[in-house]
Amino acid sequence: QKEVEQDPGPLSVPEGAIVSLNCTYSNSAFQYFMWYRQYSRKGPELLMYTYSSGNKEDGRFTAQVDKSSKYISLFIRDSQPSDSATYLCAMSDRNFNKFYFGSGTKLNVKP
Amino acid sequence: DSGVTQTPKHLITATGQRVTLRCSPRSGDLSVYWYQQSLDQGLQFLIQYYNGEERAKGNILERFSAQQFPDLHSELNLSSLELGDSVLYFCASSVGDRLYNYGYTFGSGTRLTVV
Repeated sequence: QKEVEQDPGPLSVPEGAIVSLNCTYSNSAFQYFMWYRQYSRKGPELLMYTYSSGNKEDGRFTAQVDKSSKYISLFIRDSQPSDSATYLCAMSDRNFNKFYFGSGTKLNVKP
Repeated sequence: DSGVTQTPKHLITATGQRVTLRCSPRSGDLSVYWYQQSLDQGLQFLIQYYNGEERAKGNILERFSAQQFPDLHSELNLSSLELGDSVLYFCASSVGDRLYNYGYTFGSGTRLTVV
């Protein structure tokens, strides 16, 4: 079993839709949770990060962590074609010894 | 431009050969991390160097090795190449030894094709 599971998609939505991207994990030691966005032919770039449980909002993006269910989500409101990319979740224990990445969900926002 | 420079962008070579991938970290960053990315496995951590010393090792094969030089650039050496090594290799850098800034800065990657 992988440490982090993520639905690979692809996920296709119309412009303006609310998008929900999710990851599950098995290691209860994970404390830090991150979302990366990767455009085609580019390296991943950090989008958002959260510590422990709860929500964090940044513009159109909201990251949510439910440690009791070992489940994290990224919500994108009013999705735009420029949001079309692969979204990877990543997580680490409190010592940041290593990051564990999900395999990524490919999102396509149609104009 | 993320500030992390990887060369070459593309590399085509034959099975059994050896190649070297190069990474220059962002200015001021002391840690360099190497990852490989494939469609089925996603991003897999290979190895980390901090200020010239190996700090952490992931799923790096014995045929692969890396080093970080005094000017902080790093090289990933892949030898006895197999078809399955045809994936994307990413380098990332961060300021410190641990990732208290919550994330790395990734380069644009090197796509290796072994034929």
